[in-house]
Amino acid sequence: EADIYQTPRYLVIGTGKKITLECSQTMGHDKMYWYQQDPGMELHLIHYSYGVNSTEKGDLSSESTVSRIRTEHFPLTLESARPSHTSQYLCASSGIVTRGPGLAGGETQYFGPGTRLLVL
Amino acid sequence: KNQVEQSPQSLIILEGKNCTLQCNYTVSPFSNLRWYKQDTGRGPVSLTIMTFSENTKSNGRYTATLDADTKQSSLHITASQLSDSASYICVVSDRGSTLGRLYFGRGTQLTVWP
Repeated sequence: EADIYQTPRYLVIGTGKKITLECSQTMGHDKMYWYQQDPGMELHLIHYSYGVNSTEKGDLSSESTVSRIRTEHFPLTLESARPSHTSQYLCASSGIVTRGPGLAGGETQYFGPGTRLLVL
Repeated sequence: KNQVEQSPQSLIILEGKNCTLQCNYTVSPFSNLRWYKQDTGRGPVSLTIMTFSENTKSNGRYTATLDADTKQSSLHITASQLSDSASYICVVSDRGSTLGRLYFGRGTQLTVWP
């Protein structure tokens, strides 16, 4: 079971509000990621981080921003929410894993449960 | 263009039956291929990971195959259970960057009926 947490799980908010989606992991992983996923669609990478004080934009342009002040924490902020931001946001982290059933040695991503955001 | 295509888009089977999900990719260079299971409202969970040299990998009732020559993979589920109802996502990683960029398919939505 992956130790990566996201809060809130669900958020309904009005247009123009500032929101922060929290993500934390207790596995000591250096790399962390934010994905956006619409129903029935593939995950799109919007932000990632190699480690503390490192943040990069992903493939999908996003008006959100991220910060990485601590290894375990990777919050995502929207300064002014809009209906077009309605989506599911998934946080992930990655690190070296040991061999186990169905898994090979190497790096794999562990995902949090996601935050479903609805902007009215 | 690097892409991952999955089929079918959705599938309904009866409990106890077997099924096979397909994944075709055009990602190059190729590093590895993963199958994830995503329950509704949850994050994806890794089922299997295969590198270029591996043809098959099993995890309980899940068996993944990989044909790196034809760039095809399949996920076979044996003796399906109601808890297998989920979206199954094929993810391919390239070797083009230190990040090991991931390309995601849209998933196959599997529904298992009693």
